[in-house]
Amino acid sequence: GAGVSQSPSNKVTEKGKDVELRCDPISGHTALYWYRQRLGQGLEFLIYFQGNSAPDKSGLPSDRFSAERTGESVSTLTIQRTQQEDSAVYLCASSAGELFFGEGSRLTVL
Amino acid sequence: GENVEQHPSTLSVQEGDSAVIKCTYSDSASNYFPWYKQELGKRPQLIIDIRSNVGEKKDQRIAVTLNKTAKHFSLHITETQPEDSAVYFCAAPGGGSQGNLIFGKGTKLSVKP
Repeated sequence: GAGVSQSPSNKVTEKGKDVELRCDPISGHTALYWYRQRLGQGLEFLIYFQGNSAPDKSGLPSDRFSAERTGESVSTLTIQRTQQEDSAVYLCASSAGELFFGEGSRLTVL
Repeated sequence: GENVEQHPSTLSVQEGDSAVIKCTYSDSASNYFPWYKQELGKRPQLIIDIRSNVGEKKDQRIAVTLNKTAKHFSLHITETQPEDSAVYFCAAPGGGSQGNLIFGKGTKLSVKP
């Protein structure tokens, strides 16, 4: 596609439910990144994929967070048993050099 | 791992004045330093970047300088305009090379007409 596509754009869920966020990177981009941005805050690194392997998972906040990537294509970020502190915008970016960000998925946990 | 510090957290200038935002990094192996601009409610977008083999790079009203010895780099915006108002983030590679990027906490720039 023309840019990085993320879905859903907005998600409201109840505490304790699982959520899945999807990222479609720019075609041909081998590197894919997930970041979290809380309201008014900076970009918190979560995980990085090179192809379908994840050389760096150091940013995942807890074992409730996991991510997968199929080949050099779609990635999903899964948050299990969501908590209120998980509320944030989750940004995906892909790269073949420069990082291009998607519009983000805004997650609200009630 | 890499640690990126960014200052100031907020910056207010009059239209036409210059704005300078500074970042420091900890990993001397880092060799790529981008700057991103994020307008309210929008995605971060790359505005300029610099690699460690040069000390300065300019693009119209925007420039970035790099001091590898001191491990700091700065964004300079001249002749600021209201549309420059946004949050600016610096970044450095988390793994020393251009892998994952570690971002500074951001600087909210307000340009007053």
